Amino acid sequence: EDKVVQSPLSLVVHEGDTVTLNCSYEVTNFRSLLWYKQEKKAPTFLFMLTSSGIEKKSGRLSSILDKKELFSILNITATQTGDSAVYLCAVKREYGNKLVFGAGTILRVKS
Amino acid sequence: GAGVSQSPRYKVAKRGQDVALRCDPISGHVSLFWYQQALGQGPEFLTYFQNEAQLDKSGLPSDRFFAERPEGSVSTLKIQRTQQEDSAVYLCASSLKYRGITDTQYFGPGTRLTVL
Repeated sequence: EDKVVQSPLSLVVHEGDTVTLNCSYEVTNFRSLLWYKQEKKAPTFLFMLTSSGIEKKSGRLSSILDKKELFSILNITATQTGDSAVYLCAVKREYGNKLVFGAGTILRVKS
Repeated sequence: GAGVSQSPRYKVAKRGQDVALRCDPISGHVSLFWYQQALGQGPEFLTYFQNEAQLDKSGLPSDRFFAERPEGSVSTLKIQRTQQEDSAVYLCASSLKYRGITDTQYFGPGTRLTVL
């Protein structure tokens, strides 16, 4: 059975701090790993990673995948209060359509 | 452009009642997914449509759950004889392609179902 484990479960930081969120996975016939940000209800797409070692960046957020060690990290630099949210990691198989999610990391950025 | 929309946003039902949750996917998106998200957990897959065909319903927790997408656009998730354990947020997602590297799933705001 496919499995996604995220850590830490939650963390509290101050504005300006840098945070690293972790996602490890076990999946048959891995295709891609996705990161989503969830505020209130709708998960918002951040990144899709398919290849090892290639960093994806969007502003202060970046993410990288290690397919040998089966994990990904999401970095947020110079955090702002607007970064407070649940960050979800999900994996997708090569032959299949559903996403398998981790439980998420709750990030709270204090001003 | 318009994203995925869902209605109602909130639904309170008495145990034993039937409910129907609606999802309007992004226009032109072939694939449509339903997920269930319990409090403090990540979303869990329920079912998947490609156009009007329901290709995977392996995540539906019981035969009280039924989903349809008759014209390949709007989808309805129906829960019969609701139970307290059905209380959750029900998320709908759609994607442009059913295969290929660009099949990112885009989510709607969800329907929060509370069964009393």
